[in-house]
Amino acid sequence: DTEVTQTPKHLVMGMTNKKSLKCEQHMGHRAMYWYKQKAKKPPELMFVYSYEKLSINESVPSRFSPECPNSSLLNLHLHALQPEDSALYLCASSQEIGGEQYFGPGTRLTVT
Amino acid sequence: AQKITQTQPGMFVQEKEAVTLDCTYDTSDPSYGLFWYKQPSSGEMIFLIYQGSYDQQNATEGRYSLNFQKARKSANLVISASQLGDSAMYFCAMREGNSGNTPLVFGKGTRLSVIA
Repeated sequence: DTEVTQTPKHLVMGMTNKKSLKCEQHMGHRAMYWYKQKAKKPPELMFVYSYEKLSINESVPSRFSPECPNSSLLNLHLHALQPEDSALYLCASSQEIGGEQYFGPGTRLTVT
Repeated sequence: AQKITQTQPGMFVQEKEAVTLDCTYDTSDPSYGLFWYKQPSSGEMIFLIYQGSYDQQNATEGRYSLNFQKARKSANLVISASQLGDSAMYFCAMREGNSGNTPLVFGKGTRLSVIA
């Protein structure tokens, strides 16, 4: 099973809403990542978890809050987002940080 | 300075022809890894091929091959016998160091369009 799943596929939320993005993998990978991707741009790294601990936070605003409940799950909690946060949010996992990453299909987020 | 440079914003290729997508990288670390990913319009990033800095031979995976020229710091992706389904964005990425604590750095991508 080389699949990373993400839910939901699409999300529309208002600036006062609280929502969560979910990511799951069952490949036994110990590193999991959140990326933000704007149209026609490369993915921008947001957070990296290694062995369920936050390893890298790329100076992401606190309105994005990651959580790794266990080695297979990664959540991204969203609160008080801005319209400019609208983007494709990609989750990925790898055996270790820096290894070959497997990506999920992404969540297309629109903030109104 | 950019770590990964992809100079071709867009490329066109005729179906069944081969195409080369350029990637140059910048690192002073003797140990690094280079990756290519494909991103169709659906959004998912699909891993294609990997080349380690100490690998003696160029990586190949089916119709994909990596033209690794270490002295030039280039890692071009060659797609042979292009298919319509190859139309997508292609990203080159690098990991510096021998695994450990360094995530991937992506280039800006090249949009490939395959023409029937």
